[in-house]
Amino acid sequence: AQSVTQLDSQVPVFEEAPVELRCNYSSSVSVYLFWYVQYPNQGLQLLLKYLSGSTLVKGINGFEAEFNKSQTSFHLRKPSVHISDTAEYFCAVSDPDGNQFYFGTGTSLTVIP
Amino acid sequence: DTEVTQTPKHLVMGMTNKKSLKCEQHMGHRAMYWYKQKAKKPPELMFVYSYEKLSINESVPSRFSPECPNSSLLNLHLHALQPEDSALYLCASSQVVSRSYEQYFGPGTRLTVT
Repeated sequence: AQSVTQLDSQVPVFEEAPVELRCNYSSSVSVYLFWYVQYPNQGLQLLLKYLSGSTLVKGINGFEAEFNKSQTSFHLRKPSVHISDTAEYFCAVSDPDGNQFYFGTGTSLTVIP
Repeated sequence: DTEVTQTPKHLVMGMTNKKSLKCEQHMGHRAMYWYKQKAKKPPELMFVYSYEKLSINESVPSRFSPECPNSSLLNLHLHALQPEDSALYLCASSQVVSRSYEQYFGPGTRLTVT
C-alpha cells in the first residue's frame, strides 16, 4: 500500500515570508502526486498535481512543488505568503488504479501578520 | 462549471432519525465519491461510484447507505447513527476513476449526531 508522510503538523510563518511544506511518499511504482488546500469550513481544493514530465510543477495562488524521485519527496513552496494562505494543506498520492487518494495527515499553515 | 454542491450544509440528527445527504455535479463526471473527515484529520474514503455503479465500499457500517440515482447526483442515506459518526462528510467527483484525474470536492455537510 502507498503512504504519504507530512512531517510538519503545524507551520507558523510571518506574512510575506517564504514557506515550504514537506511531503514524502512511499511507493514502489510510479506515482501521481497532488497537493490540496482546505480553508476553514470548506472542502478541499486542488493546488497542483504531478503526473509526469517536468519535476517543477506550478499551481494556483503562487504555489509550486518539486517532485524528487530519489528522495521520494514532493515539497510545496511559496516565496511569499499572505494571510489568506492560512489553511490546512494535504499531500496525496493516487493509487495505481485511481480508485482513491492516500492523504497525508495534513499541515496546518498559519500566516502571522 | 467546476462546482460540486452539497446539501444541507449542517445537519443535526438523533440516533433514531433517518436523514439523507445530497451531492450534485454538472461537470459530466462519471466517478463520484463519499469521504468522512474528522476534525484535524485527512478525509477517509467511504464509497466510490463509477458510471453509477458502486465500485468500492471501504467497509463502511450499514447505517450508511449510498445511492447514485443518475450520473449527476449522489446521495448518502443515514439511519441509526452513533455520536462517533459526527464529522464533515465530503462528496467529490472526477472525470472517471483514474489516477490521472484530480477529484473535485464539495464544501461538505457537517453532521452532528446527538
